[in-house]
Amino acid sequence: EVQLVESGGGLVQPGRSLRLSCAASGFTFDDYAMHWVRQAPGKGLEWVSGISWNSGSIGYADSVKGRFTISRDNAKNSLYLQMNSLRAEDTALYYCAKDLGSSWYAFHAFDIWGQGTMVTVSS
Amino acid sequence: QSALTQPASVSGSPGQSITISCTGTSSDVGSYNLVSWYQQHPGKAPKLMIYEGSKRPSGVSNRFSGSKSGNTASLTISGLQAEDEADYYCCSYAGSKGVFGGGTKLTVL
Repeated sequence: EVQLVESGGGLVQPGRSLRLSCAASGFTFDDYAMHWVRQAPGKGLEWVSGISWNSGSIGYADSVKGRFTISRDNAKNSLYLQMNSLRAEDTALYYCAKDLGSSWYAFHAFDIWGQGTMVTVSS
Repeated sequence: QSALTQPASVSGSPGQSITISCTGTSSDVGSYNLVSWYQQHPGKAPKLMIYEGSKRPSGVSNRFSGSKSGNTASLTISGLQAEDEADYYCCSYAGSKGVFGGGTKLTVL
């Protein structure tokens, strides 16, 4: 079964850091680009970051550039999001999503999604 | 980056057709044939319905179709069914970044 399982969310104070993980199974992880997409409570979807199959190309939303870092470990079939200098507006459900292609910008379409991990930034 | 513009809500009766628009700019929708559409039911993860503007993934009903003209992409759902009631989001590649629309709530009357 093709599956993505996110973990690492929780309650964190403004200015602190958090690292999200996404474990992939059921498909050849290192054949595909991966993305993080977030959804604030009651709001719409927001693309956060994408990474190509070999980490050779990475993109970030303006709202997180310089604070968040996406990475992957193909040997562990895992995707990560290091989030630093967290702000209240980063509060959201964070989804891990698989791309249709190997480059994050070739299709830029997300065919498999996890169930998300909730990040709450509050003092 | 600014979100793509979608109508907040649309509605239709069972069996009818509806169209959801997604308006961007020449920096995103207008420049790339990389618009995708997602369906999201309450409390669920989004589901890919259309990619590359008009292509359907395997398993998606042919009642769903996509198109693009200039800076505006569109999703059409024909033969509306009760289970189509959901939120719909468009997404486009925008040159080194991605951008979603604000979402459209579809109500099946």
